[in-house]
Amino acid sequence: EAEVAQSPRYKITEKSQAVAFWCDPISGHATLYWYRQILGQGPELLVQFQDESVVDDSQLPKDRFSAERLKGVDSTLKIQPAELGDSAMYLCASTPGGQSSYNEQFFGPGTRLTVL
Amino acid sequence: GQNIDQPTEMTATEGAIVQINCTYQTSGFNGLFWYQQHAGEAPTFLSYNVLDGLEEKGRFSSFLSRSKGYSYLLLKELQMKDSASYLCAVRDGDYKLSFGAGTTVTVRA
Repeated sequence: EAEVAQSPRYKITEKSQAVAFWCDPISGHATLYWYRQILGQGPELLVQFQDESVVDDSQLPKDRFSAERLKGVDSTLKIQPAELGDSAMYLCASTPGGQSSYNEQFFGPGTRLTVL
Repeated sequence: GQNIDQPTEMTATEGAIVQINCTYQTSGFNGLFWYQQHAGEAPTFLSYNVLDGLEEKGRFSSFLSRSKGYSYLLLKELQMKDSASYLCAVRDGDYKLSFGAGTTVTVRA
C-alpha cells in the first residue's frame, strides 16, 4: 500500500541550529501539506503545495521557516534558526487532487522535533 | 480561522459506546472530518460528512447537523485498541481544513 514517507522520524537539536525535514508523498499526489502539531493540540497547516507551487503559506513563520517542492514531487521544510517553541511533531500529508476534490488526506508518520 | 470545540478527554469501558461531540463555527462549510490518532503516530481518516445525517461505517458512525454547527463521532463495541485521540476537522468555504485539539479516549478493561 502506498504511503507518505518522512525523514527523519526524530530530531533533537539545540536552539539557533538549522534543521530540515523531508517528505515524499504518495506517487501521483499533486497536493502536499506540511502541518505542525504541538503536544495536546490538533495539526496546524503551515504550507500547502499544488505541484511545485505554494497555494497557502499564510501560517508559515517566514522569518525562520522555508519550504520547497522544486520538482513537484518530494518536499523539504527547513527551520533556521530553531527556537524552543518549535518543538513539535511535523506532519506531511498528500492528496491526489486539489482542495475541492478530495475527502481524505493521507498523513506520513511525522518528524518529532525537540529543541533544547 | 475556525472555532472548533471538542471535549479534552473521555473514558469508557471495553464493549461500551462512547459519543464524542464537536461544535464548530466556520465561514462557509465544505465538509467535516474525523481522524483517529494513536499516541506518537500520524492521524488516520475515519469519516467525512458534508450533508446532514448519520454516516455509518462498521463500529464507527458520524453525525452532522449543519444548521447547529454540530457533529458527533459514535464508537460502538469499544475495544482496547480504540484508545486514541479523535480529531474533528472542518473544511471552510475556501476549502481550508482546520483541526480541533482532539479528544483523548481511554478504554478500560
